[in-house]
Amino acid sequence: SYVLSQPPSVSVAPGETARITCGAKDIGSKSVHWYQQKSGQAPILLIYYDSDRPSGIPERFSGSISGDTATLIISRVEAGDEADYYCQVWYTSADPEVFGGGTKLTVL
Amino acid sequence: QLLLQESGPGQVKPSETLSLNCTVSGGPITSSSYHWGWIRQPPGRGLEWIGSISYLGTTFYNPSLKSRVFISAHPSKNQFFLTLTSVTAADTAVYFCAADYRHHYFDYWGQGNLVTVS
Repeated sequence: SYVLSQPPSVSVAPGETARITCGAKDIGSKSVHWYQQKSGQAPILLIYYDSDRPSGIPERFSGSISGDTATLIISRVEAGDEADYYCQVWYTSADPEVFGGGTKLTVL
Repeated sequence: QLLLQESGPGQVKPSETLSLNCTVSGGPITSSSYHWGWIRQPPGRGLEWIGSISYLGTTFYNPSLKSRVFISAHPSKNQFFLTLTSVTAADTAVYFCAADYRHHYFDYWGQGNLVTVS
């Protein structure tokens, strides 16, 4: 099965830029989606198709993809951004929806 | 705007069957834009996709759970369902239902239903 690798944790000071990676072989050939999950809540869609934002998601959140790594970029990090972040791809019809293991963002 | 709401028991005994419903409002589950999915999250752990059902009733399952999972739908009630057989403590999790846009990403989620196997 397809494995998406995320760092377990990322820490950043308020106002700085956080980068959360999602690595997998040939991920650049797939569409990557990102979710934010705050404690005790359901996930929300943050980025879809690598870099598109749903309505209501601040421009501070962006996505990029290159080679074997997709990256979620959070600019001007705020205390309210503290959450778990998950990447997800559609892999194959036999194993369609795959999630990364998640990254806990801590705002120092 | 779609709203999804899970319902079902909060506790299931080991070896028995877990059954959950998801009621969708704000749009028909027969919409060709969506599949309808189940995702679970064990306490303190990450998200795991369980399976999805298309607007035509075609099902897709996580290979690791395929032998125990069945997803169905009742279009006239705008509901879809999860059945997981032979549960163990490892199936203890919050179970989410979600709208799976074009079988690509999940843009609407239910609030989640904690199921404890004990």
